[in-house]
Amino acid sequence: NAGVMQNPRHLVRRRGQEARLRCSPMKGHSHVYWYRQLPEEGLKFMVYLQKENIIDESGMPKERFSAEFPKEGPSILRIQQVVRGDSAAYFCASSPQSRTGDYEQYFGPGTRLTVT
Amino acid sequence: DAKTTQPPSMDCAEGRAANLPCNHSTISGNEYVYWYRQIHSQGPQYIIHGLKNNETNEMASLIITEDRKSSTLILPHATLRDTAVYYCIVSGSGGYNKLIFGAGTRLAVHP
Repeated sequence: NAGVMQNPRHLVRRRGQEARLRCSPMKGHSHVYWYRQLPEEGLKFMVYLQKENIIDESGMPKERFSAEFPKEGPSILRIQQVVRGDSAAYFCASSPQSRTGDYEQYFGPGTRLTVT
Repeated sequence: DAKTTQPPSMDCAEGRAANLPCNHSTISGNEYVYWYRQIHSQGPQYIIHGLKNNETNEMASLIITEDRKSSTLILPHATLRDTAVYYCIVSGSGGYNKLIFGAGTRLAVHP
């Protein structure tokens, strides 16, 4: 079974450009989460999606950030007009459906975004 | 979701058991205890989770006290590759599992 895949692994953008980060969940997983880890800081929840639905975006910055998980294809985290403060590691995680209320998440290797 | 408290750092000798404690005194009845770890700057790795009963898998054992207010993650034979930050997270009451990461415990396994 392939794990959670993220690409690109490293992304360099100049200030003002757009960054698109992709996440393919594990086979059979219908839940996708995005987390951000700023340099020397902890992991912070950003958004939780199911297919074609954003369920919880309470951790997303109000502007420039958006996420989607279309019916076909990977989940995308899009950052418009990037600024230096967006430089971070972005991790995607997926989990299977659960009937018992427990949802272990499996994380991808992350995308390291550097804004110059 | 309930808050957890973990010691900031611990040391363990290679080959010995590593026992990582976690306090979660405000845990509610339908919340699970999850353990993850992050080795250097890699993606976090799921270790184990439990509700009431003790759990064991190929990686670790999880001991949850009867009142569920604390738990201990046990790595039975720590190796140098187990050096990582270990996170104890309580979650699961909202129909999905938004993980709130604290500072965790930085475990250093030494020869």
